Amino acid sequence: NAGVTQTPKFRVLKTGQSMTLLCAQDMNHEYMYWYRQDPGMGLRLIHYSVGEGTTAKGEVPDGYNVSRLKKQNFLLGLESAAPSQTSVYFCASMLDGNTEAFFGQGTRLTVV
Amino acid sequence: GQSLEQPSEVTAVEGAIVQINCTYQTSGFYGLSWYQQHDGGAPTFLSYNALDGLEETGRFSSFLSRSDSYGYLLLQELQMKDSASYFCAVRERSGYSTLTFGKGTMLLVSP
Repeated sequence: NAGVTQTPKFRVLKTGQSMTLLCAQDMNHEYMYWYRQDPGMGLRLIHYSVGEGTTAKGEVPDGYNVSRLKKQNFLLGLESAAPSQTSVYFCASMLDGNTEAFFGQGTRLTVV
Repeated sequence: GQSLEQPSEVTAVEGAIVQINCTYQTSGFYGLSWYQQHDGGAPTFLSYNALDGLEETGRFSSFLSRSDSYGYLLLQELQMKDSASYFCAVRERSGYSTLTFGKGTMLLVSP
C-alpha cells in the first residue's frame, strides 16, 4: 500500500497564481486533514474532512479552499497565492475511532 | 478549542534518559498521542494514551494524567538517531473531530 501520497512535492508560485495540492490515501480512512508547518509554529490545521462530501475549517483556513469529492482524495486549493503562504504542507488521514494519523511526505511551497 | 504546551527544545547525551512534557487545555478528548518528525521528513506516530498511566513501547514510554491535564514522553537509552522534533496531539471528543498538535519539542542528542 502507498499510504498517503501528496503531489506535488515541491512548487514555486508567483504571487497571485493559483494551484491545487492533491492528497490521496488508499487506506479507506474517513478523516483527512491539511496542515501547514512553519518554523517554530508546529503543525497548524487548515481544513479537515470527516467523510466524503464534508469539509470544515481548522485554525488557519483563510486563503485556502478544500474539496473531498471522493473518499480517497482531499484537495487543497490556493486561489491567489501570497508570500505568507510559503510553507510546508502536510496531509494526514486517520480511521474513525482510531488513534494513529498517517502523514504524506509534504509539499514544499514557495510563493515569490 | 484546545491548546497544548511543550518545551521548544531539549538537549541530552547519548545513553541518557529524557522526558518531554506536554500540558494541555481541552474540553474533552479521546487521548494523548505523540509523533516524531525528523528534519525534512513527515511526522510519524509513536504512542497513544487513552487512559491515565504509563504506556511502554521499547525505549519509549508515554504517560497521561487527565486530572492534571498533563502528559509526557520518556525516551531511554538515547541514540543519535533520536534527534528529532516530538509533538504531542489530541483529538477532540465532541463535534467534528479535529486533531490538534502542540508546537513541538526539538530534541538534540549529542555524543
